[in-house]
Amino acid sequence: SAVISQKPSRDICQRGTSLTIQCQVDSQVTMMFWYRQQPGQSLTLIATANQGSEATYESGFVIDKFPISRPNLTFSTLTVSNMSPEDSSIYLCSVGNRDNTGELFFGEGSRLTVL
Amino acid sequence: KQEVTQIPAALSVPEGENLVLNCSFTDSAIYNLQWFRQDPGKGLTSLLLIQSSQREQTSGRLNASLDKSSGRSTLYIAASQPGDSATYLCAVWGTGFQKLVFGTGTRLLVSP
Repeated sequence: SAVISQKPSRDICQRGTSLTIQCQVDSQVTMMFWYRQQPGQSLTLIATANQGSEATYESGFVIDKFPISRPNLTFSTLTVSNMSPEDSSIYLCSVGNRDNTGELFFGEGSRLTVL
Repeated sequence: KQEVTQIPAALSVPEGENLVLNCSFTDSAIYNLQWFRQDPGKGLTSLLLIQSSQREQTSGRLNASLDKSSGRSTLYIAASQPGDSATYLCAVWGTGFQKLVFGTGTRLLVSP
């Protein structure tokens, strides 16, 4: 399984500001995803981070609000822009298994609180 | 659109009991199903992965079954322990879409 490191692990942010979350994987992976988990809810996919091209966003999520970078096969960032209290969530980075069994692994998540 | 439901939403049992968590999904065209554990405020830990061609997978005290035709999976936990207390999530990867769709989760509490 891949070892996934996310930074920051938690942060308290002011309304209107932006925060960038980093995801570092210990090996090269093809599939990398960003999920959001709102308080008391299950996980919702924000976007698939594609290496060398623009991310693929799910319905309800847009690039202006959640810009994503994927400069190489081991690293990605998710920015939460112009934050509001409704953005208070855990944001999780996920990667696919290298043997392409379809198994996904998750980082520890980044817990954001927006005041 | 794939929808994944887990029953019960919460479960409280005394230590030592065997228990079953249920997961159902609406679209049987899946590539695999995965069970995860999530501790409060933490990320997800992968427990078991069942490919669409498989009927069950086992890991220690955990056994997961898959009945694709009926859209159901169960996670069986034998001889439960307080350390098993967590939220358990099932998720399916559909053949028609490149993403994992998560269930609503079952919050398990095992009392000493």
